[in-house]
Amino acid sequence: EDQVTQSPEALRLQEGESSSLNCSYTVSGLRGLFWYRQDPGKGPEFLFTLYSAGEEKEKERLKATLTKKESFLHITAPKPEDSATYLCAVTRSGSSNTGKLIFGQGTTLQVKP
Amino acid sequence: DTAVSQTPKYLVTQMGNDKSIKCEQNLGHDTMYWYKQDSKKFLKIMFSYNNKELIINETVPNRFSPKSPDKAHLNLHINSLELGDSAVYFCASSLQLKDTQYFGPGTRLTVL
Repeated sequence: EDQVTQSPEALRLQEGESSSLNCSYTVSGLRGLFWYRQDPGKGPEFLFTLYSAGEEKEKERLKATLTKKESFLHITAPKPEDSATYLCAVTRSGSSNTGKLIFGQGTTLQVKP
Repeated sequence: DTAVSQTPKYLVTQMGNDKSIKCEQNLGHDTMYWYKQDSKKFLKIMFSYNNKELIINETVPNRFSPKSPDKAHLNLHINSLELGDSAVYFCASSLQLKDTQYFGPGTRLTVL
């Protein structure tokens, strides 16, 4: 069964303290792995899509990487405005791809000034 | 300009009532989705429509019925609301079935 597991569930950092969020996945043929950011009371906001092992993408203080079993979201020198819940999701490849996103439970990040 | 919009943002109703949530996207996308986010913030797909055709119906009770009048709209009608239906419902859209999905702001449904 397809499954996405994120760790840790919650992470508290001091401003400037770099860290990584983990997303482990089990899927019958990966088409894409997606990272979203969700602020309280809002919808998920798209950050990155990764398609193949070894791929990396960056946006400001965020860098996403992908291996055959997991993805990391590295946060370098975070600021309080980076506080949010970060969601990881995968889609299947091939004819079984119905566009369905399979989400993890999220990591809630709090960055203190 | 709002890309994916939903109305209402909050919906409070009694058990047994029937209610609808509306979703509209102005991105020119062909595919639209409904997701449910439970109290633990876990997001799970309910339905997807591609070019007004139902693609996914994920073991959702038949009290839930999506309707797509055109490619820019996907509404969700819920009959005989139950306490367990309380959640946040998100609409999303993507250019095609396999593309990146963009989410609306959500509708918080509370059933009393």
